[in-house]
Amino acid sequence: DAKTTQPPSMDCAEGRAANLPCNHSTISGNEYVYWYRQIHSQGPQYIIHGLKNNETNEMASLIITEDRKSSTLILPHATLRDTAVYYCIVRASGTYKYIFGTGTRLKVLA
Amino acid sequence: GAVVSQHPSWVICKSGTSVKIECRSLDFQATTMFWYRQFPKQSLMLMATSNEGSKATYEQGVEKDKFLINHASLTLSTLTVTSAHPEDSSFYICSAHGTSGDNEQFFGPGTRLTVL
Repeated sequence: DAKTTQPPSMDCAEGRAANLPCNHSTISGNEYVYWYRQIHSQGPQYIIHGLKNNETNEMASLIITEDRKSSTLILPHATLRDTAVYYCIVRASGTYKYIFGTGTRLKVLA
Repeated sequence: GAVVSQHPSWVICKSGTSVKIECRSLDFQATTMFWYRQFPKQSLMLMATSNEGSKATYEQGVEKDKFLINHASLTLSTLTVTSAHPEDSSFYICSAHGTSGDNEQFFGPGTRLTVL
């Protein structure tokens, strides 16, 4: 199963773009990359997912490298409410299971 | 759309009692649901995969007789923590696998269990 590696913590100034990296060097060709975030004492919230192409929605953009070994989640204009733990997940091959890594604790500073 | 609810949101019980937690998909049918537990300042740990109409599949190290899972309908899965002990105190989160899109999971708000 593909594992993910993320920095444990990051700070970002309010109003600036937050760029959260994720390494998934063992990803297989048909495995999607999913991003979720978890605000304290709540269930994880879906943000975005992708396979090969870059994706954008109302919350964020996802940039996947051409070799698919890494990706970056971009929050274009971070707000204080974006302070959370962000998880990058590659779904276990052949199943629907998610295996969570340790995530990145993003702190948006006023 | 894609809303998952859990009940109760928090529960306190005495050691030795059993506690049931419900997970419902409110606006979609979920053939597969997942149960996670999360200790303070740690990541989510997958406990089991729950399939409608069949036995749950437990992850290694999770006691199936202690954590009973029932998935009797396409919108409801339950987790029963039997003979709870203080070390079972944790945040329990369920998720449901959607049947459309690219199979993303949608998570419930979690249930905080405290065993005294």
